[in-house]
Amino acid sequence: KNEVEQSPQNLTAQEGEFITINCSYSVGISALHWLQQHPGGGIVSLFMLSSGKKKHGRLIATINIQEKHSSLHITASHPRDSAVYICAVLFNNDMRFGAGTRLTVKP
Amino acid sequence: NAGVMQNPRHLVRRRGQEARLRCSPVKGHSHVYWYRQLPEEGLKFMVYLQKENIIDESGMPKERFSAEFPKEGPSILRIQQVVRGDSAAYFCASSTGSYQETQYFGPGTRLLVL
Repeated sequence: KNEVEQSPQNLTAQEGEFITINCSYSVGISALHWLQQHPGGGIVSLFMLSSGKKKHGRLIATINIQEKHSSLHITASHPRDSAVYICAVLFNNDMRFGAGTRLTVKP
Repeated sequence: NAGVMQNPRHLVRRRGQEARLRCSPVKGHSHVYWYRQLPEEGLKFMVYLQKENIIDESGMPKERFSAEFPKEGPSILRIQQVVRGDSAAYFCASSTGSYQETQYFGPGTRLLVL
């Protein structure tokens, strides 16, 4: 079983919809990262969380350490949000990655 | 642009040749991480380096792969005697501190082994 599970694997939304991507992990962690990989392959770090909630523009990330779960929300989604979103956890100084969620936002 | 730079962006090698991938971190960052993304697979950690030191190489294949981050100059990921299975995107990231700091990713080097 993968230590980091993301859902859904693929997500298609209409422009303007509210998006939620989930990440569950099975080990104790010290930090969690949300990454965005563009269709061209480039990777951008969106958030690094160890507790609570962070917001940046239309993106919101939350983490519940007790439940070993994090969510990434996108409000008012736009076609340019189309990308693969990757959850990565820091476990014993070792980064473990989820398989990614492929988001497609249609105009 | 003071971001992470990687070169080359694309590299083609024949089986048995050597591949050298370079990563220049964000100015002032002394921590570098290398990740590999195989085709149709997720990212996998390879190695974590500080200047002149390898901190964690638990993700590095035992043979043919090596990494360094010298006092001066970029970090180098070296793959000797490449095989087709080494074809992947190799990403470098840098940070000011350890894993708990935000990592800034480079654009990646896409290695194709013929």
